[in-house]
Amino acid sequence: EPEVTQTPSHQVTQMGQEVILRCVPISNHLYFYWYRQILGQKVEFLVSFYNNEISEKSEIFDDQFSVERPDGSNFTLKIRSTKLEDSAMYFCASSERGREIADTQYFGPGTRLTVL
Amino acid sequence: AQSVTQLGSHVSVSEGALVLLRCNYSSSVPPYLFWYVQYPNQGLQLLLKYTTGATLVKGINGFEAEFKKSETSFHLTKPSAHMSDAAEYFCAVSEAGNQFYFGTGTSLTVIP
Repeated sequence: EPEVTQTPSHQVTQMGQEVILRCVPISNHLYFYWYRQILGQKVEFLVSFYNNEISEKSEIFDDQFSVERPDGSNFTLKIRSTKLEDSAMYFCASSERGREIADTQYFGPGTRLTVL
Repeated sequence: AQSVTQLGSHVSVSEGALVLLRCNYSSSVPPYLFWYVQYPNQGLQLLLKYTTGATLVKGINGFEAEFKKSETSFHLTKPSAHMSDAAEYFCAVSEAGNQFYFGTGTSLTVIP
């Protein structure tokens, strides 16, 4: 069964450094998403992406964050200058027909980001 | 604004006992409701979802949930717990567009 994959599974970085989290969505999916989960808190929406542009973003997704689909398979989340509070589990998700209400989003296993 | 409340961050049941995980939501329009399960070191896997139609929804692994509009609830149940059900369970709501709103999750422990 096709699945969303994410690399690395765990990333440790120093405060102020740039990190890039990578995701490979399911191949025929057109909509891509990033969520994060700070330890002990709820999963929070960051951004959705369709047709090579951001379609929706939350308040969390400020200028420090960017997303990109650099080729036909990868979908990346970049944090330009990490802060301690960016430490969280980051989930990538994809869906086939995002504009259809309630289209199922398929999630990857997550990347645990630790900022020291 | 939408929000999801999951009562009980930790639930323990005996093997073979009823599983009941509670989810209440707030939404200004008819919502679309989801339950996801997360096993250790894995991603979120869809258990079931409610969009329209029958309010009792059956999902994978013997789980089901009932949408009760009057109670703004979407509780997850399973008649008989199995050891393999031990995991984190997340309720989520979506009104329109692409954004999902998740609850804080309930960790289910199954006692042999």
